[in-house]
Amino acid sequence: AQKVTQAQTEISVVEKEDVTLDCVYETRDTTYYLFWYKQPPSGELVFLIRRNSFDEQNEISGRYSWNFQKSTSSFNFTITASQVVDSAVYFCALSFHAGGTSYGKLTFGQGTILTVHP
Amino acid sequence: DAGITQSPRHKVTETGTPVTLRCHQTENHRYMYWYRQDPGHGLRLIHYSYGVKDTDKGEVSDGYSVSRSKTEDFLLTLESATSSQTSVYFCAISDGGGDEQFFGPGTRLTVL
Repeated sequence: AQKVTQAQTEISVVEKEDVTLDCVYETRDTTYYLFWYKQPPSGELVFLIRRNSFDEQNEISGRYSWNFQKSTSSFNFTITASQVVDSAVYFCALSFHAGGTSYGKLTFGQGTILTVHP
Repeated sequence: DAGITQSPRHKVTETGTPVTLRCHQTENHRYMYWYRQDPGHGLRLIHYSYGVKDTDKGEVSDGYSVSRSKTEDFLLTLESATSSQTSVYFCAISDGGGDEQFFGPGTRLTVL
């Protein structure tokens, strides 16, 4: 069974602070995919990043960066110099690829509510 | 933005009534999914489709059925709605099984 744990239920920071959102996953599959989604107060789900299990390179996109470590089954997300517009719920998700087939069924973590105060 | 619409966007219904939610895409993506979002649970997969007339159950499929007669439409039916099915329902699409999924705007369903 797949499992994703986002232990931080809520995080509150002041603008310009750096913040890291933790994501720990469990899977027995060797091929899998990890994702981060953002859900702003308006309610839509916005795709941020996809990473496959064979690509452990960290990625940076503007103020966002992701740290993927298979050794600790973690895929953490850091926002540098946070802004009020970063306030949202952030979800980490996992899909697996079993027996040559991947139907893309996502298992989500419970989400982390990030509030950035001015 | 991916072309995904959901209808209705809001619905209030009574216990025991049937309800159908529609997801429509204009991207010609093969895979379509229905999730529900509840506080403390994140999003959970209800059903998914990997092609026309090809569907399967997800994690929380009890009380729900789906149909996909055309590539662009994926219907979610609650045969007899219960208060525990009060939730926000999201449809998603993807082009490949391991690809990113793009989500619709969601449907807020309240069962009284």
